Amino acid sequence: RKEVEQDPGPFNVPEGATVAFNCTYSNSASQSFFWYRQDCRKEPKLLMSVYSSGNEDGRFTAQLNRASQYISLLIRDSKLSDSATYLCAVKKEYGGSQGNLIFGKGTKLSVKP
Amino acid sequence: DVKVTQSSRYLVKRTGEKVFLECVQDMDHENMFWYRQDPGLGLRLIYFSYDVKMKEKGDIPEGYSVSREKKERFSLILESASTNQTSMYLCASSLPGSNEKLFFGSGTQLSVL
Repeated sequence: RKEVEQDPGPFNVPEGATVAFNCTYSNSASQSFFWYRQDCRKEPKLLMSVYSSGNEDGRFTAQLNRASQYISLLIRDSKLSDSATYLCAVKKEYGGSQGNLIFGKGTKLSVKP
Repeated sequence: DVKVTQSSRYLVKRTGEKVFLECVQDMDHENMFWYRQDPGLGLRLIYFSYDVKMKEKGDIPEGYSVSREKKERFSLILESASTNQTSMYLCASSLPGSNEKLFFGSGTQLSVL
């Protein structure tokens, strides 16, 4: 099982739709989880951290399911400007680059008018 | 706002050339990172540094070296560029203890011919 896995998409949704992405991780000892957003031909930027209790920021909700070892990102009322690639990131808890982030390959979202 | 500046947006080099990619950050961050991003492979950590003159190997250090002579500057060196090093290179920085909040530069697209 890969350390961090995401469905690459693309997810093509109409404006106003609700869309959800999942990201699975292999190390059950992982403690810290994040979602980054990357616009086309731009650098990744931190969107939100993922807390055990789940957290919400406007139209965005992030959740953690430790039992099944996945994190999710829910976007409500999608806007055209939400079109981007969403990267999940998990803090590495062991190994040579311990403490650094392992990124998923990203899920591409395209919101259509 | 944190600014991470990479010296070149696009770079074309020949096989066997020595290549320097420069990265400068203006927020006095201790931690600096070099990633490469490839379609289908996502972001992969090459090298990182938690202090001046300190460097640690990431997940794919082969064929690369780094230099951190000053806190604000972190250089990635390709001693003898090869075609499989054609990629988007992204530099990032962060504060200690919060290396999950990475601030990325806008990237250097390197083509090795």
